[in-house]
Amino acid sequence: ELKVEQNPLFLSMQEGKNYTIYCNYSTTSDRLYWYRQDPGKSLESLFVLLSNGAVKQEGRLMASLDTKARLSTLHITAAVHDLSATYFCAVVLNQAGTALIFGKGTTLSVSS
Amino acid sequence: ETGVTQTPRHLVMGMTNKKSLKCEQHLGHNAMYWYKQSAKKPLELMFVYSLEERVENNSVPSRFSPECPNSSHLFLHLHTLQPEDSALYLCASSPRGYTDTQYFGPGTRLTVL
Repeated sequence: ELKVEQNPLFLSMQEGKNYTIYCNYSTTSDRLYWYRQDPGKSLESLFVLLSNGAVKQEGRLMASLDTKARLSTLHITAAVHDLSATYFCAVVLNQAGTALIFGKGTTLSVSS
Repeated sequence: ETGVTQTPRHLVMGMTNKKSLKCEQHLGHNAMYWYKQSAKKPLELMFVYSLEERVENNSVPSRFSPECPNSSHLFLHLHTLQPEDSALYLCASSPRGYTDTQYFGPGTRLTVL
């Protein structure tokens, strides 16, 4: 069974702290996405990671991909309240007829 | 209008009703998708259309019927739904297929009574 697992599923952070969200997937893939969803709103693309060792950064968020370990991380640096949202990783699977498989999402709450 | 739009944003229907969800993308993309987002479950891909042809149907019950009249419009026709079908239904589009970033609409919150 094809699985994309995120942890933690819920994360409560204090402003200014650092933390990492993990995304594991169970089969080979050459493309992984991170999306953000604010409450009541749609999904917004944050990063696409295309190869082993890829690292992308935007503001306080940095995403990386290790295809050998089948692991992606989303690192949050010095969290601020505006980062409160649900973050999804999604994996494109290297098999015909399959598509974008999403994790369950990590709901991040940043408080002062 | 820009991006991906969906109407209605909220829909309440009885189990015997027939309704349709509409999605329109203004991005010039060739692929469109329907997803179901339920509480505590991963986003589930329902249907994929590429150049107006259905290329993916992930074992979705026949009470959901998609229609893609052109590359800019996608419909989801609903008929005799069940309460467990209550969810957020998201439409997305991408330039070509799965290997492209998908752009999502705001979703339709569906409640089946």
